[in-house]
Amino acid sequence: EVRLLESGGALVQPGGSLRLSCEASGFIFNNYAMNWVRQAPGKGLEWVATIDSTGAGTYYADSAKGRFTISRDNSQNMLYVQLNSLRAEDTARYFCVKVDWFDNKGYFDYWGQGTLVTVSS
Amino acid sequence: IQMTQSPSSMSASMGDRVTITCRASQDIGTYLVWFQQKPGKAPECLIYAASRLRSEVPSRFSGSGSGTDFTLTISSLQPEDSATYFCQEYVSYPLSFGGGTKVEIK
Repeated sequence: EVRLLESGGALVQPGGSLRLSCEASGFIFNNYAMNWVRQAPGKGLEWVATIDSTGAGTYYADSAKGRFTISRDNSQNMLYVQLNSLRAEDTARYFCVKVDWFDNKGYFDYWGQGTLVTVSS
Repeated sequence: IQMTQSPSSMSASMGDRVTITCRASQDIGTYLVWFQQKPGKAPECLIYAASRLRSEVPSRFSGSGSGTDFTLTISSLQPEDSATYFCQEYVSYPLSFGGGTKVEIK
């Protein structure tokens, strides 16, 4: 059974930093790309970042470029995202999402329950 | 790529056929996925590649379309289908979601 368990969410002041973690189990972690997707309270879904299976390739939404860094530790089956220079508009639940492959493209197949980041003074 | 879903919300009765549409601002082939999200829960993948049903998903759900126009259909609405449904394209970065369709049971 695929399990994705996020942690690290907290209340942080504007301009602050936070590191979110995702512990993966139930699949061969180093075979799959991984993502972070966020959802502001009562709002829709927003893709944040993707990292390929090796960690060599990363992709970011414009809202995350230069402030967020996605990374992974395949020896520990862990996914991370470092959130810097946080703003009120970054307040959201952050989901760790696994990718599966079909027809040469990766789609989101499993989601964790998310961890809540609140940016407020 | 912009993804536009309609309607944004709807109310239907048990047993009704429900159709949700998703339009992409450019050709995405069949690189489209549909998610179901219940309140307080994580999204769950229902359909990928526009029309392929995930193995654990009930057969009353189906997806169709290619290019720019896509449809999610629930053939006979059940109480447990009350949720918000999102489409998402995965043809290229940045990845985009539709705004969601909230489905309520009358």
